[in-house]
Amino acid sequence: AQRVTQPEKLLSVFKGAPVELKCNYSYSGSPELFWYVQYSRQRLQLLLRHISRESIKGFTADLNKGETSFHLKKPFAQEEDSAMYYCALASGNTPLVFGKGTRLSVIA
Amino acid sequence: NAGVTQTPKFQVLKTGQSMTLQCAQDMNHNSMYWYRQDPGMGLRLIYYSASEGTTDKGEVPNGYNVSRLNKREFSLRLESAAPSQTSVYFCATSSFGGSTEAFFGQGTRLTVV
Repeated sequence: AQRVTQPEKLLSVFKGAPVELKCNYSYSGSPELFWYVQYSRQRLQLLLRHISRESIKGFTADLNKGETSFHLKKPFAQEEDSAMYYCALASGNTPLVFGKGTRLSVIA
Repeated sequence: NAGVTQTPKFQVLKTGQSMTLQCAQDMNHNSMYWYRQDPGMGLRLIYYSASEGTTDKGEVPNGYNVSRLNKREFSLRLESAAPSQTSVYFCATSSFGGSTEAFFGQGTRLTVV
């Protein structure tokens, strides 16, 4: 069964501090991993996906198959990064399975 | 282009009432989904439609029905609303399955009293 675990409900960091949002997954095949973000009063939207291996808004995430993790990182947090972040998993044409989400609060 | 449009945005129902949440997309996507978002529970899949003419149950389908009316529209019906169905409901679409980028509607905040 597919499962995505985000161990932190809330993460508070100071502006300029590094950020790491944790995500672990359980899946026997070759999953595709994503980070979706929901800013206040905005729609949920794709932040990044592991196959693109790109940095979006300063965020990066590396898929570690050995540790079954896909942690989201940013070296210097900004206030505008405050949002709800969801890690998600899919394989082929199966629907996305989401974690429970982590609320990131960046304190000025 | 509107993208993914959900109606209504807000709704209050009494226990036992029925209602239909509407979702329409103009992105020519094949796959459509209904999720519910609850505090501490994340997004849970209710039903999905991989392509026009097909629907499948997700993680939490009890108490809901869906209709894929055509390629553009995917509705979610609550036949007899219960307080446990108080939630924020999101419709989403993707070109083909979860591995392609999903686009979300703005959500419907439903309260069942």
